[in-house]
Amino acid sequence: ETGVTQSPTHLIKTRGQQVTLRCSSQSGHNTVSWYQQALGQGPQFIFQYYREEENGRGNFPPRFSGLQFPNYSSELNVNALELDDSALYLCASRDQGGREKLFFGSGTQLSVL
Amino acid sequence: DQQVKQNSPSLSVQEGRISILNCDYTNSMFDYFLWYKKYPAEGPTFLISISSIKDKNEDGRFTVFLNKSAKHLSLHIVPSQPGDSAVYFCAGGRNFGNEKLTFGTGTRLTIIP
Repeated sequence: ETGVTQSPTHLIKTRGQQVTLRCSSQSGHNTVSWYQQALGQGPQFIFQYYREEENGRGNFPPRFSGLQFPNYSSELNVNALELDDSALYLCASRDQGGREKLFFGSGTQLSVL
Repeated sequence: DQQVKQNSPSLSVQEGRISILNCDYTNSMFDYFLWYKKYPAEGPTFLISISSIKDKNEDGRFTVFLNKSAKHLSLHIVPSQPGDSAVYFCAGGRNFGNEKLTFGTGTRLTIIP
């Protein structure tokens, strides 16, 4: 059973650029969610996808968008990057019936200069 | 609006002793709570959960206590081991809606050999 994998592990961008982060869900998991963890903070919910549809969103602006593909892999896209977008971005997956256990990837560390 | 709070950023405990990590919440609508553990350069891993209708859940060395009237939960680890050194996050979740998790800011636990 493979776990949740994320790529890339580290990324450096400049303000105003766009970035795409990728995630492969754990085998058999049809729900994926993305979290942003700023330095010294806990993870904050960005959005969740189930069966390729967004079914929940946190307090993040529309320049944060996502996709889920038929194989349950997922992308997080951020447009017009701002300095405050610098954070660890975590992808998590679960089976629809297993609400309690989120399985997290190791994250992508994004630095915006 | 910090719905889940972990007021102790760090805690040091002697090996073999009990570690007690605390968490307070303000949202009385949470249906369940979870504890996650995070090592550096890894994603959070699920540790233990508790339903809001319970006051205690135990799994090996880990016990979570919930006091709904005080809106407080705690994680007890006994006996503490060096491998328990990590950052611990508590989180609250709801059964319906987008099922997002709301995390606290974390407590760094250091076990002293």
